[in-house]
Amino acid sequence: EVELVESGGGLVKPGGSLRLSCVASGFVFSSHGMAWVRQAPGKGLEWVSSISGSGTDTYYADSAKGRFTISRDNARNSVSLQLNSLRAEDTAVYYCAREIAASLTEIDSWGQGTLVTVSS
Amino acid sequence: QSALTQPASVSGSPGQSITISCTGTSSDVGRSRYVSWYQQRPGKVPKLMIYDATYRPSGVSDRFSGSKSGNTASLTISGLQAEDEADYFCSSYTSSRTLVFGGGTKVTVL
Repeated sequence: EVELVESGGGLVKPGGSLRLSCVASGFVFSSHGMAWVRQAPGKGLEWVSSISGSGTDTYYADSAKGRFTISRDNARNSVSLQLNSLRAEDTAVYYCAREIAASLTEIDSWGQGTLVTVSS
Repeated sequence: QSALTQPASVSGSPGQSITISCTGTSSDVGRSRYVSWYQQRPGKVPKLMIYDATYRPSGVSDRFSGSKSGNTASLTISGLQAEDEADYFCSSYTSSRTLVFGGGTKVTVL
């Protein structure tokens, strides 16, 4: 069974940084792209970033470019999202998600999410 | 990266069929086979209901079906049940090598 467990969320001041982590189990990690998707309170889903199974290709939403960095460690079955220069509008639950294929296509599994709150 | 367009809400009585539309452009829904639908019940994690526009993952009820025509994808729920009450989101891979979601549709069972 696919399991994705996120950690690292919390309260941070505007302009601050946070590193989100996700540990995966139950599947061949390197065979799947991984993504981060966020959901602001009471709002819809917003794709943030993805990384290919090998880690060589990364993709970002415009809202994340230049501020967020996705990375993965296939030896540890983990994917991370470094969040810098955080803004109030980045407040959301951040979901770690598995993609169906090795590269960016569709998401088929989701973690429980970790809440990031940006506030002074 | 504009969001895909979904109706804010759709409702139906138990046993009826409802259809949720998801309208994009020729840069996403219109050119991509990678169109998905997710169900999110209140306080829960999204669940994949349809992938590749028309395929159902194992374990998903056959009351759920997907279709696509041009720039619009659709999710149909047949034999509506109380447990189907949830938010539904579509998503599509885009020509810019990004993913885009729809704004979500709240399904109410009357």
